[in-house]
Amino acid sequence: AQSVTQLGSHVSVSEGALVLLRCNYSSSVPPYLFWYVQYPNQGLQLLLKYTTGATLVKGINGFEAEFKKSETSFHLTKPSAHMSDAAEYFCAVSGYNTDKLIFGTGTRLQVFP
Amino acid sequence: GAVVSQHPSRVICKSGTSVKIECRSLDFQATTMFWYRQFPKQSLMLMATSNEGSKATYEQGVEKDKFLINHASLTLSTLTVTSAHPEDSSFYICSARDLRLRSTDTQYFGPGTRLTVL
Repeated sequence: AQSVTQLGSHVSVSEGALVLLRCNYSSSVPPYLFWYVQYPNQGLQLLLKYTTGATLVKGINGFEAEFKKSETSFHLTKPSAHMSDAAEYFCAVSGYNTDKLIFGTGTRLQVFP
Repeated sequence: GAVVSQHPSRVICKSGTSVKIECRSLDFQATTMFWYRQFPKQSLMLMATSNEGSKATYEQGVEKDKFLINHASLTLSTLTVTSAHPEDSSFYICSARDLRLRSTDTQYFGPGTRLTVL
């Protein structure tokens, strides 16, 4: 079985500040981990993913995430927030032998000027 | 590349009517498609998985006779909400995956369809 926990349904940062969105997972198989972003009334856009190999993954728009097996975490970071980063962010998990994506409950990021 | 479209983007219907939502992969062949439902301010819940040429696999608690899914071709899947009721109002999102691509683990999402049942 797989599950995802996103700590903090809302995160607020100032423009230019560090963004940190937390994601912890549970998986009985080696996980594939994803971060998606959703803008209002739109579908999901893939930010980045981890499957195998390098544990630090770089994605679009300056985001990156690090897979830490010992902590079962896949936190999303960005060094400097932009106003355009305001959106809903979803962490998701799947695995090599499963088709299904299991999503976390999402974190709404607000960026203040 | 890997663009998925949905039509319509928004639909309002009367209670008791049926509504069809289309999901198309525009630049790749989608051997597998997924349908999700998202309630306001909540996460996506997988409703069903369909593979081209076979019947959809529904998640527990999803009524297959109410939510009819047809993976008609390698680029089209449809979700029909039959006899819609106000509680069916939601944001429906499809995704698609091409097993023949290297990135077999990645799902590409459509922009979603907002259904409002009056």
